[in-house]
Parts: sequence; structure tokens; C-alpha cells
Amino acid sequence: GDQVEQSPSALSLHEGTDSALRCNFTTTMRSVQWFRQNSRGSLISLFYLASGTKENGRLKSAFDSKERRYSTLHIRDAQLEDSGTYFCAAPNTGNYKYVFGAGTRLKVIA
Amino acid sequence: GGIITQTPKFLIGQEGQKLTLKCQQNFNHDTMYWYRQDSGKGLRLIYYSITENDLQKGDLSEGYDASREKKSSFSLTVTSAQKNEMAVFLCASSIDRDEQYFGPGTRLTVL
Repeated sequence: GDQVEQSPSALSLHEGTDSALRCNFTTTMRSVQWFRQNSRGSLISLFYLASGTKENGRLKSAFDSKERRYSTLHIRDAQLEDSGTYFCAAPNTGNYKYVFGAGTRLKVIA
Repeated sequence: GGIITQTPKFLIGQEGQKLTLKCQQNFNHDTMYWYRQDSGKGLRLIYYSITENDLQKGDLSEGYDASREKKSSFSLTVTSAQKNEMAVFLCASSIDRDEQYFGPGTRLTVL
């Protein structure tokens, strides 16, 4: 079946620094969605992309429109409240199943 | 805007017990999903439903039943709770295969 690989699996950032999270798919995907899961377990949707890039405040996401197998989530000027686990997900080809990455555990430190 | 609610928020059961989790959405979405998340892990799909009265098995359907009684609600039943089982069950909905919206989750503990 379709697979999703997220990297890095864990990351520590100092406040004010920038970083990028990555999501690789083994096959072409029609869209990608990025989530942040907070300490209470709630999954918050950050971006949904069918192509191109989207930006929201200090966060920016891109989905490679050509190959459709690669997506990134950029965090600029990291803040303590950015801490959490970030997941990418995409709908499986041919059915309604979504495949989820294993997540990136991000900790922002002062 | 819309919202997804899950009940109960916390569920404590006994080994062998049949337990039911409920999910309601007011987005008017056709597709609904149930996922299981174990501590420190990603999400695994249990069941999904693309319309009222439709049911499709996910990757982890064994040990579970589901019911899509109407468009706005999707229930999940743990047919026989396993001792020491602990997980979070997350419900989601979407239009077709587009953006998914998640509920707050039900935390299950089996004694």
C-alpha cells in the first residue's frame, strides 16, 4: 500500500530559529494535509494543499506540483507554543483511505 | 464553520466488555472516519464511511464494528475490550477525499 515517510522523527529548536519538516510519499498523491497535535491530543489542521504553497503566519507549506510525492512544512521564528507532534497525511490512490506519517515530535526551548 | 463532537471524552471499561463510542458532525460532510492512536504513535484507520449506511474496513477493523446511522453520526463499537488496552480514538469527517476535520478524541482505558 501507499507509504508516508516523515523526517525528522524528533526535533529540538531554540526559540527564534527556523526549521523544515519533510514528508515523502512512495507514490503520487492528489493532495496533502498537515496537522499539529497538542499535548491534549487534539489534531489541528494547519494546511491542506492540492498543489503549490500556502502560508499562515510563521508557517508555510509546499507540495511539489510536478512529482506530487514530496511536501514540506517550514516553521519560521519558532515559539514555545509551536511544540507538539506534526503529522502529514494524504488520501490513498483509488479509495478514501488516508495514509498518515509517523509524525515529527517538535520541542521548542527557550 | 462546523464542529465534530465525540462522546464520551473518557471511557473506562472492563476486559471483555462491549464499548461504544459516538461521533457527530454538523459540517454536512459525506465521509466519516474512525482512527486509533496508541501512545507516541501515528494514526491507524479502523473504519470509514462514504455515505449514510455505508461502511468500509480500514487497516485495523478486527475487533471493531461501526455504524453510520445517519449522515451526521458515526459510531464505533469495541466488540470485546482487551485488558490493559489504552488508546485514543479519533473521529474525522471530510467532503469526498478532501480536507479532514478531526474531533477531540475519546480516551479508552481497559482495566
